[in-house]
Amino acid sequence: TQLLEQSPQFLSIQEGENLTVYCNSSSVFSSLQWYRQEPGEGPVLLVTVVTGGEVKKLKRLTFQFGDARKDSSLHITAAQPGDTGLYLCAGSGSSNTGKLIFGQGTTLQVKP
Amino acid sequence: NAGVTQTPKFRILKIGQSMTLQCTQDMNHNYMYWYRQDPGMGLKLIYYSVGAGITDKGEVPNGYNVSRSTTEDFPLRLELAAPSQTSVYFCASSYVGETEAFFGQGTRLTVV
Repeated sequence: TQLLEQSPQFLSIQEGENLTVYCNSSSVFSSLQWYRQEPGEGPVLLVTVVTGGEVKKLKRLTFQFGDARKDSSLHITAAQPGDTGLYLCAGSGSSNTGKLIFGQGTTLQVKP
Repeated sequence: NAGVTQTPKFRILKIGQSMTLQCTQDMNHNYMYWYRQDPGMGLKLIYYSVGAGITDKGEVPNGYNVSRSTTEDFPLRLELAAPSQTSVYFCASSYVGETEAFFGQGTRLTVV
């Protein structure tokens, strides 16, 4: 069974602070995706990382895929209240069976 | 562009009743998924399909059934509803595995 463990599960910070969210597994993933979900809506894709060691940047968000392709991180610089939401990592495993599974999510609250 | 459409948006069921959650997509995606999300948590995969006529179990399939007779539609059937099935249900689709998954708006189901 492939599992994705996210940490922390909940994070409450002040505007302007930096933070990192982790997504870990004992399994190898051919790619990992990061989604953001707002209340009452479905998740929306932020980024997909494919290559071990890959780093992708999306404005103040930096995503990294571990060298062994078992883990990933999301770093937010100078968080803003608009970053508040549920952040989810997802992957479909090394064999790409189509079984897209999600981590349990990290709820981020950024206070002004 | 409709994307992924789920109906109904809200439903209250009595214990033991049955219902079908409808999901249709107009993007000609091969892969479709059903997830449930409990409050403040990530998404648990119920069933998925990699094409018409092909379905497979996810992480939490008990109490649910699916069918995929067309590329567009992927209904989820709940038989003998139980309080443990109270959740928000999301349908999603993607062109192929490991590409962006597009989500519907969700169905909020309460079993009383």
